[in-house]
Amino acid sequence: GQQLNQSPQSMFIQEGEDVSMNCTSSSIFNTWLWYKQDPGEGPVLLIALYKAGELTSNGRLTAQFGITRKDSFLNISASIPSDVGIYFCAGRDNFNKFYFGSGTKLNVKP
Amino acid sequence: KAGVTQTPRYLIKTRGQQVTLSCSPISGHRSVSWYQQTPGQGLQFLFEYFSETQRNKGNFPGRFSGRQFSNSRSEMNVSTLELGDSALYLCASSREGGYDEQYFGPGTRLTVT
Repeated sequence: GQQLNQSPQSMFIQEGEDVSMNCTSSSIFNTWLWYKQDPGEGPVLLIALYKAGELTSNGRLTAQFGITRKDSFLNISASIPSDVGIYFCAGRDNFNKFYFGSGTKLNVKP
Repeated sequence: KAGVTQTPRYLIKTRGQQVTLSCSPISGHRSVSWYQQTPGQGLQFLFEYFSETQRNKGNFPGRFSGRQFSNSRSEMNVSTLELGDSALYLCASSREGGYDEQYFGPGTRLTVT
């Protein structure tokens, strides 16, 4: 199936640093979602975006729906050790199908 | 509010066998989607059920099937298991399946030997 291009694939950062990751697609999406997945668990929804240009925050997390509707980014400010995990973007197309990025593995060094 | 529950959490099966996985959505959610997650292919959409009807289907062979009951609980069945079916199977529920967020369950880890 279609995959979104998510980058970077992995990141190693120091606690306290800011993090940025993004997803791009060749198709237009109506919704962008960002999830975090811990090992052996299902993804947990972090932020949902519904309109082009929309900027939404959830605590230290901020995500934006690109104005072209083909991209989205997620920023994490002042990272902490519990931010460790895999972050996925997901986009929903006009046919209500969801497509997922390959994930960004975040490692935070205390 | 209870989250999405999936049973069993872990399963080991032999090639050629069949398996049934169960998903109970969040109360009030009518849409249930199933995904397969593997290290190589990532998260891939299997199918979506809404009000007991399959509304969307991904690109998986006919060995993968599902159904939804009147209480919105859903089951997924895989027949004639292959080694490549080893994966984490996730279900996600949403209120209407349209402009709504999906909430994932913890997944069922299926190992085929």
